[in-house]
Formats: sequence, structure tokens, C-alpha cells
Amino acid sequence: GNSVTQMEGPVTLSEEAFLTINCTYTATGYPSLFWYVQYPGEGLQLLLKATKADDKGSNKGFEATYRKETTSFHLEKGSVQVSDSAVYFCALILISGSARQLTFGSGTQLTVLP
Amino acid sequence: DAGITQSPRYKITETGRQVTLMCHQTWSHSYMFWYRQDLGHGLRLIYYSAAADITDKGEVPDGYVVSRSKTENFPLTLESATRSQTSVYFCASRGAPAGGDYEQYFGPGTRLTVT
Repeated sequence: GNSVTQMEGPVTLSEEAFLTINCTYTATGYPSLFWYVQYPGEGLQLLLKATKADDKGSNKGFEATYRKETTSFHLEKGSVQVSDSAVYFCALILISGSARQLTFGSGTQLTVLP
Repeated sequence: DAGITQSPRYKITETGRQVTLMCHQTWSHSYMFWYRQDLGHGLRLIYYSAAADITDKGEVPDGYVVSRSKTENFPLTLESATRSQTSVYFCASRGAPAGGDYEQYFGPGTRLTVT
């Protein structure tokens, strides 16, 4: 079946530090990949996405590149801010499947200290 | 209010009681979903619906019932609540995909505690 594995958290960084959150996937086909962010007390919001190999998704200074050869979609940001503190979820959807539902990773809690 | 709303936002109930969580969206999205969020598990799909009167099971459907008589509403019922159903529940919706866009829009969540 399909699955998403994220690096375990929590992750604590100082403001302006470089961020990487690792995400790898297993899928029987060619999925679309997503990063969602959940701010405290809120629902999930789409952060960025990539629909095919070598695509780079980007938003709010965050980037992730769809690497088919390593089945990865790592999230990066060059300089984090306190406002980036949130839980980040990697997810996939298999367009060719009948269900076409999102499969989520377990989430990574990020705390950015001033 | 525009968007997707859930009610109640917080609920405490006793074991064995029936509880219904409400979800309402104003976009006329065809697809709606219910997830539960538990530490270490991320989000797990409970049920989803592709259109009014069409529902299907997700990964963890046991102990839950859904209905979808109107496109905009997708209530989730716990027929006899158990402590293992203590969780945060999220509703989500999306339209029919256009150009490969499968983005889901999430509600703010309902925190349910079963005592």
C-alpha cells in the first residue's frame, strides 16, 4: 500500500536557522506530493505541492523537490522565523488509484525560538 | 460564513453515549472527508463521500457512521463512544479535480474527549 514516512520530531531551531524536514514515500504508481502545515489550534493548510518528478513546489520561502529516484520530497527553508512554528505534514495522493485519497505522514512539530 | 466549518469545536462525552460532529462547507465541493488526528499517527481517514448519498469507508471506519443527504453537510456520528475515540477530528472538502488539482480544504477541527 501507499505510505509516507517523515522524520521524527520535535524539531527546535533558532530564528534564521536552516530547516530540513525529511519525507520519503512508498506508492504503487506516480503520486502527487504535498506539504501541509497546521498552526496551533487550526486545521491543515496546503503549503506546497508537486505533481510530477523533478517538480519543485514553493511557497512562503519553503521549497520541496519531487525526487522520483529517491522517492523523497524533503521540505526546506533557508531562514526560519518564529511564525513558522507549526506541525508539518507530508502527504501523497495517487491519481491513478480509484480512491484518490490523501495519505499523510505522522507530522513533524517545529518550534522556532527567537 | 464562507468556507468549511465544524461544530462543536470542543466536546466532552461519556463512554456509551452517541455523539454527532457536524461539518458544513459553502463551496459546493463534491468530495468531503473525515479524519482523526492522534499523536504519532498523523491524520487517518475515517470516511469520505464523493457526492450526496455516496459514502465510503476509509482506513479506520469502525465505530463511526456518516451520512450525506445534502452536498454541503457531512455529519459524523459515534454511535456508542469509547475512550479510544478521544481524538481531534477534522473535516475536509475538495472539488472535482481540475488540471490534477486535488487540494483538500480543512475545517478547524473538533476536539472530542470521551470519559
